[in-house]
Amino acid sequence: ETGVTQTPRHLVMGMTNKKSLKCEQHLGHNAMYWYKQSAKKPLELMFVYNFKEQTENNSVPSRFSPECPNSSHLFLHLHTLQPEDSALYLCASSQGGLAGDQQFFGPGTRLTVL
Amino acid sequence: KNEVEQSPQNLTAQEGEFITINCSYSVGISALHWLQQHPGGGIVSLFMLSSGKKKHGRLIATINIQEKHSSLHITASHPRDSAVYICAPYNTDKLIFGTGTRLQVFP
Repeated sequence: ETGVTQTPRHLVMGMTNKKSLKCEQHLGHNAMYWYKQSAKKPLELMFVYNFKEQTENNSVPSRFSPECPNSSHLFLHLHTLQPEDSALYLCASSQGGLAGDQQFFGPGTRLTVL
Repeated sequence: KNEVEQSPQNLTAQEGEFITINCSYSVGISALHWLQQHPGGGIVSLFMLSSGKKKHGRLIATINIQEKHSSLHITASHPRDSAVYICAPYNTDKLIFGTGTRLQVFP
């Protein structure tokens, strides 16, 4: 148990659906991250929020829309996804907003787009 | 060429063996993370180091900044060590992730 929870753990959606992934951290951290992990590829950083402000958008398509209402919660809103978006989506948090800080990861949401 | 190269990509071992996983990177860094990812996806941060050596239980991580190389060692390996081990150097303002080394330890 890392102190970072993600829901749902598994999600299957059609290309026309709209869904949201949720992440919550109970560590009092100020920075939160979304990562994508596709099969046989390295982790890819998608978004970084530091003190609720988005500080990194790593050229992510607009069909992925993040939301950070407070330092403890992070959402990833999904709409009109493509099959190639099927992957494991991981949330992480760290004390500060520097990537050099130790990051604590959630268990991930395994997304399948049909 | 990837900025981060890990070797080997796959590794099998018998319980009790000494394990070494290597990580080489091509960019300048100020720190490096080693992560462990179990089947099912959950990732745990094992070490963050910027010089020398760190030890935690049966795990030892070393780094040579000048040679741009880090190693993760597991002493007296156990089946519960079976996981993917990911090296992630910290360059400028972001982590760069290796593709990981898949380790299987058999009883």
